[in-house]
Amino acid sequence: EAGVAQSPRYKIIEKRQSVAFWCNPISGHATLYWYQQILGQGPKLLIQFQNNGVVDDSQLPKDRFSAERLKGVDSTLKIQPAKLEDSAVYLCASSYNPDRGETQYFGPGTRLLVL
Amino acid sequence: GNSVTQMEGPVTLSEEAFLTINCTYTATGYPSLFWYVQYPGEGLQLLLKATKADDKGSNKGFEATYRKETTSFHLEKGSVQVSDSAVYFCALPSGAGSYQLTFGKGTKLSVIP
Repeated sequence: EAGVAQSPRYKIIEKRQSVAFWCNPISGHATLYWYQQILGQGPKLLIQFQNNGVVDDSQLPKDRFSAERLKGVDSTLKIQPAKLEDSAVYLCASSYNPDRGETQYFGPGTRLLVL
Repeated sequence: GNSVTQMEGPVTLSEEAFLTINCTYTATGYPSLFWYVQYPGEGLQLLLKATKADDKGSNKGFEATYRKETTSFHLEKGSVQVSDSAVYFCALPSGAGSYQLTFGKGTKLSVIP
């Protein structure tokens, strides 16, 4: 079974520029998560989707971050404009049925450096 | 919400040494507990989990026991290998009824031949 796919793997931008990350979850997984992992810390949830609806985006900095999951499959996370403190690894994860406490499967992440 | 405190690293061990990485939690009720591992350049992978008190999760020679008396879920392995070098994260659901995960800060393990 194919895992969670993410692209790009690495991105370097200057502050105030915009950037977008893409995630393709495991086939059949209804729930999709975006996490931000700052160097030396554990991942922090940004947003959770159930199919194409948002379940929780309380920790998403909505003045600059946006995310969508059209058609309930692929998802895109955007930052506009980027700040230095956005430098981090952005992880996408998916799970089949969170109501049954099932495991989240993570992609390899996109490493973002903002200069 | 729930939280987890994890032993800070880095930890450096010789091959075949015994490993313990401490993890304690604060939670409402008795949520599932997880250990995730992140190998260099890769995403997080579930290493093991325990879904109720006194359960023991195990995988790849690693074990962790869900101890409600001490609110702990320490990760152990009897004989580490160079290939175990990675960052290990303890995690639990963020709150009652939530399946969002709250992670510890991670413990970097380096195993030297």
